[in-house]
Amino acid sequence: QKEVEQNSGPLSVPEGAIASLNCTYSDRGSQSFFWYRQYSGKSPELIMSIYSNGDKEDGRFTAQLNKASQYVSLLIRDSQPSDSATYLCAVKGDGTASKLTFGTGTRLQVTL
Amino acid sequence: IAGITQAPTSQILAAGRRMTLRCTQDMRHNAMYWYRQDLGLGLRLIHYSNTAGTTGKGEVPDGYSVSRANTDDFPLTLASAVPSQTSVYFCASSEHFGITEAFFGQGTRLTVV
Repeated sequence: QKEVEQNSGPLSVPEGAIASLNCTYSDRGSQSFFWYRQYSGKSPELIMSIYSNGDKEDGRFTAQLNKASQYVSLLIRDSQPSDSATYLCAVKGDGTASKLTFGTGTRLQVTL
Repeated sequence: IAGITQAPTSQILAAGRRMTLRCTQDMRHNAMYWYRQDLGLGLRLIHYSNTAGTTGKGEVPDGYSVSRANTDDFPLTLASAVPSQTSVYFCASSEHFGITEAFFGQGTRLTVV
């Protein structure tokens, strides 16, 4: 089992719709969770971080964390064509020595 | 503009040659990382450094070495390149190791032939 799992997609949503991206992780002691966006041929850029159970909203983005289910998601409201990219989930385990582990990413396509 | 700079942006390298990928950051971040990104495998950690003077092995360290002589620079060396090292390499940094968000350089596309 991979440490951080994501559906590779592509996930296709129409413009204006809500895109829901999901991520599961295997280390129950994980403490920090991040969503990165990566445009084709570019480097990953951080868009959301979440550390405690529940929802965290930032503009059109909402991160949701459920540690009991080992599940983190990213919702993008009012999806725009410029949101078309690969979204990487990253998880940091427990302890200062643990490293950041990335999922393979979900490719999102927002159609006109 | 503050950030992370990688050089070169792309390189074609003959197998068996030695190559150093350069990475410099001006954010005074303590931690730095080298990842490789391959289709279907995602980002995999090669080596990391918690702070200047210390380094550690990541998930796929074989065939690579790093050094951290100062806070700003974190070069990655391929001693004798092999075709399986063809990849996109990203350098990243964070204020502290693993605790805070990582910021990425623009990447180096390396092809070993």
